[in-house]
Amino acid sequence: SQTIHQWPATLVQPVGSPLSLECTVEGTSNPNLYWYRQAAGRGLQLLFYSIGIDQISSEVPQNLSASRPQDRQFILSSKKLLLSDSGFYLCAWSGDRGAEEKLFFGSGTQLSVL
Amino acid sequence: AQKVTQAQTEISVVEKEDVTLDCVYETRDTTYYLFWYKQPPSGELVFLIRRNSFDEQNEISGRYSWNFQKSTSSFNFTITASQVVDSAVYFCALSEASGNTPLVFGKGTRLSVIA
Repeated sequence: SQTIHQWPATLVQPVGSPLSLECTVEGTSNPNLYWYRQAAGRGLQLLFYSIGIDQISSEVPQNLSASRPQDRQFILSSKKLLLSDSGFYLCAWSGDRGAEEKLFFGSGTQLSVL
Repeated sequence: AQKVTQAQTEISVVEKEDVTLDCVYETRDTTYYLFWYKQPPSGELVFLIRRNSFDEQNEISGRYSWNFQKSTSSFNFTITASQVVDSAVYFCALSEASGNTPLVFGKGTRLSVIA
């Protein structure tokens, strides 16, 4: 069966420090991968999605970036964190059959930028 | 572009009451998919249901039921005889068959079931 791992679970970082959140999927190949952010009291905002290695679409042009070094690995990064980057970050995967695919989510990372 | 509106930000009910969570969507596509997800306090989103735009049959799964009405662009979710374990944030979402954008979520409804 397929599983998705996301870490760390919680992270407290000072403003201006770098960020690296990692997500890996097991038990499937060529998944679509996603990063969402959930700010306090707000909905889910799509940050990046990827349909393959080196194919990453950005939905939110801020100081975050994403990379997919391997088929089942998705990394969210920042060179310098801002206070506004605080939030709950969720990684997800889906199959590649299109709009009907449901998303499977990781357990999330609670990021606090102080 | 597609849009999902969940007008109810927070709902509180007493255990055993029925509760309906509203979801209204906007899309220009004729083929699309609607979803509901549950986010318990642990944070991980759990898939509940998916409907395609050509299937308006209501669905029931235990205490959960869904009412899909294309005429009003709504996909409402009802929990019958609510329980404390139903306390969570519930998200409605939409994806368009012709669109390149993945699932678009509503802002969620926080449901609190009080014992």
